[in-house]
Amino acid sequence: AQSVTQLDSQVPVFEEAPVELRCNYSSSVSVYLFWYVQYPNQGLQLLLKYLSGSTLVKGINGFEAEFNKSQTSFHLRKPSVHISDTAEYFCAVSSFSNDYKLSFGAGTTVTVRA
Amino acid sequence: NAGVTQTPKFQVLKTGQSMTLQCAQDMNHEYMSWYRQDPGMGLRLIHYSVGAGITDQGEVPNGYNVSRSTTEDFPLRLLSAAPSQTSVYFCASSYPPGSPESNYGYTFGSGTRLTVV
Repeated sequence: AQSVTQLDSQVPVFEEAPVELRCNYSSSVSVYLFWYVQYPNQGLQLLLKYLSGSTLVKGINGFEAEFNKSQTSFHLRKPSVHISDTAEYFCAVSSFSNDYKLSFGAGTTVTVRA
Repeated sequence: NAGVTQTPKFQVLKTGQSMTLQCAQDMNHEYMSWYRQDPGMGLRLIHYSVGAGITDQGEVPNGYNVSRSTTEDFPLRLLSAAPSQTSVYFCASSYPPGSPESNYGYTFGSGTRLTVV
């Protein structure tokens, strides 16, 4: 079985400040890791993914995430946020052993203030 | 535009009514899934399909049925709606992970907001 824990449910941040969203996963097998973003009243959009190789992955809109196998974490970061980054962010995991079904965390709501 | 199309966008049902949420994709994706999104719970998998004629249960399948007669369509049926099924429903699709076309990510529809009274 695999599961995802997002450690912060809400993250308020000022414009141009950095932000980090924390994600821990649990799995007994090798996993693929994802961050999705959901803007208000929209579907989910893939931000970035870790499949293998370099543990630092870069995604769209200036986001990046670092895979840490020993700490089973996949934290998302952005060095300088914009008002338009206000959204809900979901960490997700899948694996070959689970037929690649996505398991999602509960989500982190990021609110960027001027 | 290519993508995942969900209809309707909004629906209000009375307890006990049945209905079908439609999902169609035009990307020739073999994998399709239905999720429900509830506050503080993220997205939970209801049913999924790895190809036409093949479906299986996810984490929260009770009260829902699916079928996959074509690659393009994956309708979700509520047999007898209950207030606990009030939620936002998302359909998603992807190429088979590991296939040459796959980026391992899913494409999501814009959702159906369902209220059961």
